[in-house]
Amino acid sequence: EVQLVESGGGLVQPGGSLRLSCAASGFTFSSYAMHWVRQAPGKGLEYVSAISSNGGSTYYANSVKGRFTISRDNSKNTLYLQMGSLRAEDMAVYYCARDGQQLVVGYWFDPWGQGTLVTVSS
Amino acid sequence: QSALTQPASVSGSPGQSITISCTGTSSDVGGYNYVSWYQQHPGKAPKLMIYDVSNRPSGVSNRFSGSKSGNTASLTISGLQAEDEADYYCSSYTSSSTLHVVFGGGTKLTVL
Repeated sequence: EVQLVESGGGLVQPGGSLRLSCAASGFTFSSYAMHWVRQAPGKGLEYVSAISSNGGSTYYANSVKGRFTISRDNSKNTLYLQMGSLRAEDMAVYYCARDGQQLVVGYWFDPWGQGTLVTVSS
Repeated sequence: QSALTQPASVSGSPGQSITISCTGTSSDVGGYNYVSWYQQHPGKAPKLMIYDVSNRPSGVSNRFSGSKSGNTASLTISGLQAEDEADYYCSSYTSSSTLHVVFGGGTKLTVL
């Protein structure tokens, strides 16, 4: 069974940092691009970042560029999102998701993890 | 990038059919056949229901179908069931951003 499990969320002060992890199992992790999508409380989905299957290409939304870094460790089947200079507007549930296709950075995501909540507050 | 435009809410009775629209531009929905739809129940992760405009992943009921005309994509749910009550999000490839996917604002489906 394909499974994605996020961790690392929690309460952080404005300006602080946090690293999210997404542990993958049930598929060949190194064959798929991976994505982070967030959802602020009561709001819609916002695409945050993507990384190619080998980690060589990364992509960011303008809202997080320069503050967030996506990475992956294919030997550990784990995806990461290093978040810095956190703002109130970064508060959200962060989902990791697998790309729908192998070996490309595609345009649909399946499946998604259960999400991890990041709260930014003093 | 600007979100795709969806109605905030739609409703229907059990057994009926409903359609949710998703309007973009020629830089996203209208220009490419890369529209996807996701279902999200409260407190749960999104679930892929449709990809590449009209393709259903394995395991998704054939009551769900997708289509596109011009800059507007649509998700149709036939034979509405209580379990279909959820939020639905469309997404599309976009050429307007280096992060090549844009989401719609979401539509709350109520089964009366």
